[in-house]
Amino acid sequence: QSALTQPPSASGTPGQRVTISCSGSSSNIGSNFVYWYQQLPGTAPKLLIYRNNQRPSGVPDRFSGSKSGTSASLAISGLRSEDEADYYCAAWDDSLSGRVFGGGTKLTVL
Amino acid sequence: EVQLLESGGGLVQPGGSLRLSCAASGFTFSSFAMTWVRQAPGKGLEWVSVISGSDGSTYYADSVKGRFTISRDNSKNTLFLQMNSLRADDTAVYYCAKDSDSSGWYGVDNWGQGTLVTVSS
Repeated sequence: QSALTQPPSASGTPGQRVTISCSGSSSNIGSNFVYWYQQLPGTAPKLLIYRNNQRPSGVPDRFSGSKSGTSASLAISGLRSEDEADYYCAAWDDSLSGRVFGGGTKLTVL
Repeated sequence: EVQLLESGGGLVQPGGSLRLSCAASGFTFSSFAMTWVRQAPGKGLEWVSVISGSDGSTYYADSVKGRFTISRDNSKNTLFLQMNSLRADDTAVYYCAKDSDSSGWYGVDNWGQGTLVTVSS
């Protein structure tokens, strides 16, 4: 059981907006930055969002991150077929003195 | 351009040892923390360990504590993971990753392509 909780799956049609949630606690999301990663099938993960809501260069502005209290969210607007991937949230956990990942959300573009 | 190239994976028997290496380039290696993350077949990402770039502090997941040792050679821009007492549930692709700062308390911003470790008799 992961320290960060994500829905196992999400779906949407092209052009739609989808949101993926990540629920944690005061020792991780509540007191540290949240990172989001995208993993396309058969490839290594790629940084999507850092420090809660910052996009690295090259990541489309269709991707956005937010955080409130002990929860965070990743929103994808204007959904495209190439967005079909697994998405993971991560944060440092002060109680564990280690980093924790969510279980991952498999996004399907219908 | 940041490049991270893992090596050292392979097939090992339960109870055996393996040493993974990660050759880094394209950034000032000593200024950043470095992380190992693994992914068992068909499963999600699991953080394994991190070593800071500032003072060499190390942190481990409970699942590997006492069995795995992370280290780095800043003169050779190389990260290591010494894995002892390997078990079947250590079977995974192991990713080397560069952190976004030196402390190890934030997140990774670049990933290698991974190396497969299979523990089986």
